[in-house]
Amino acid sequence: QVQLQESGPGLVKPSETLSLTCTVSGDSISSYYWTWMRQPAGKGLEWIGRISARGNTDYSPSLKSRVTMSIDTSKNQFSLELNSVTAADTAMYFCARENWYFDFWGRGTLVTVSS
Amino acid sequence: EIVMTQSPATLSVSPGERVTLSCRASQGVRSNLAWYQQRPGQAPRLLIYGASTRATGIPARFSGSGSGTEFTLTINSLQSEDFAVYHCQQYSNWPRTFGQGTKVEIK
Repeated sequence: QVQLQESGPGLVKPSETLSLTCTVSGDSISSYYWTWMRQPAGKGLEWIGRISARGNTDYSPSLKSRVTMSIDTSKNQFSLELNSVTAADTAMYFCARENWYFDFWGRGTLVTVSS
Repeated sequence: EIVMTQSPATLSVSPGERVTLSCRASQGVRSNLAWYQQRPGQAPRLLIYGASTRATGIPARFSGSGSGTEFTLTINSLQSEDFAVYHCQQYSNWPRTFGQGTKVEIK
């Protein structure tokens, strides 16, 4: 069974960089695309972007200027960096495996942007 | 960007009833449509992909239909564990987009 686990700081100051890592078990990260999404409290899901094992990326146009994703196949991990954060970036962040749709998800990690 | 619109926002139903949720795409997505269930405090769970194919382990009471711009998710004989928020998502175009969700609550 594929499992994903997000990790990273739960509190980030405004204007700083949000950094999260997703660790994958039960599957090689060398296959598929790996995705980040987020969900503000009480709102819908927003796709942030995806990365392949080769490091090919696609980002949401609305976040593209602030997002960087990376992957470490030796550790079976992929990461998200979102810079210049504001309170609007406060959300539950999820990582997931993309198989066109999203078939396996992490449990999510809450990131709050506040001074 | 393709806008996904779900209706209604909230459905109040009794256990054992049948419910139908709607999802509309602002432009055609063929059958590239997935449905997810999200229970409180949990990650979304894939229910349906390809508009009508149940994911592994999903009970037969869940069914999906539609293509193009109009889609439905039907849950027959609602069980207690089915009270949750349901999201639709298109994977026809970039960026991938989700509807705002339909909450199915106990009447």
